[in-house]
Amino acid sequence: GQNIDQPTEMTATEGAIVQINCTYQTSGFNGLFWYQQHAGEAPTFLSYNVLDGLEEKGRFSSFLSRSKGYSYLLLKELQMKDSASYLCAVTDSNYQLIWGAGTKLIIKP
Amino acid sequence: GAVVSQHPSWVICKSGTSVKIECRSLDFQATTMFWYRQFPKQSLMLMATSNEGSKATYEQGVEKDKFLINHASLTLSTLTVTSAHPEDSSFYICSARDQVGPDYEQYFGPGTRLTVT
Repeated sequence: GQNIDQPTEMTATEGAIVQINCTYQTSGFNGLFWYQQHAGEAPTFLSYNVLDGLEEKGRFSSFLSRSKGYSYLLLKELQMKDSASYLCAVTDSNYQLIWGAGTKLIIKP
Repeated sequence: GAVVSQHPSWVICKSGTSVKIECRSLDFQATTMFWYRQFPKQSLMLMATSNEGSKATYEQGVEKDKFLINHASLTLSTLTVTSAHPEDSSFYICSARDQVGPDYEQYFGPGTRLTVT
C-alpha cells in the first residue's frame, strides 16, 4: 500500500530552527510537496522536490532523498505565525497526491 | 498566480437537504479538479477526481450518488452533497490542475465549511 509518515506534533521556540521529517512508500514517485495549513484554512504551497537535494526558499528549505524515501522541511528563524500544520504529500505514478496526516507545529515564545 | 475560488465559504443546512459547492479556477483553465474532505485534526482525504466533460472518478468508500460532481466547463466544478446528514459536516476543499502547467501543479481553493444540523 501507499504510506506517508510524519510526526503528529512538534514544539519549537520562536527564533529557533525546526526540522519536520517525512518518509514515504508509494507506487511510483513524481515529486514531493510540502504544504502549510493554518487551522480552518486550505493548504498553501511551500515547496516541491522531484530531484535529490536541498531546495531553499527564504526561511524554508526542503530536502529529498529518493533512494531513502525521505524528505524534511527545515524552518529557520521561527516566528509565531509559523504555528500551523505542515503536510507532506507525494505524487505517485498516476500523478495522484498521496497525503501524510500532517505535523502540527507549535511555536512557543 | 493561479487562483481558485470556492462558494460558499461556509454553509449551514438542515439534515435531509442538499447543498451545492462551487469550485472555480479564476485565471486558468483546469481540465482536472480534485475534491477533498477534511475532518477536524485530520489530513486531507481525496474524495474524487473530476475531469472536464467526463464522469468523476471516486475514491473507495465515497458514495457517488451522495456526492454528485459535475465538471461542465474548464473553469467550474460543482460538488453537491445530497440528503446531507450531520456526519457530512466537514471542511470541503477543491483543487485544480492547470491545463497547460506541469502535471504536478495543483492550486487549492479556500475551502467550504459545511455544518449539517
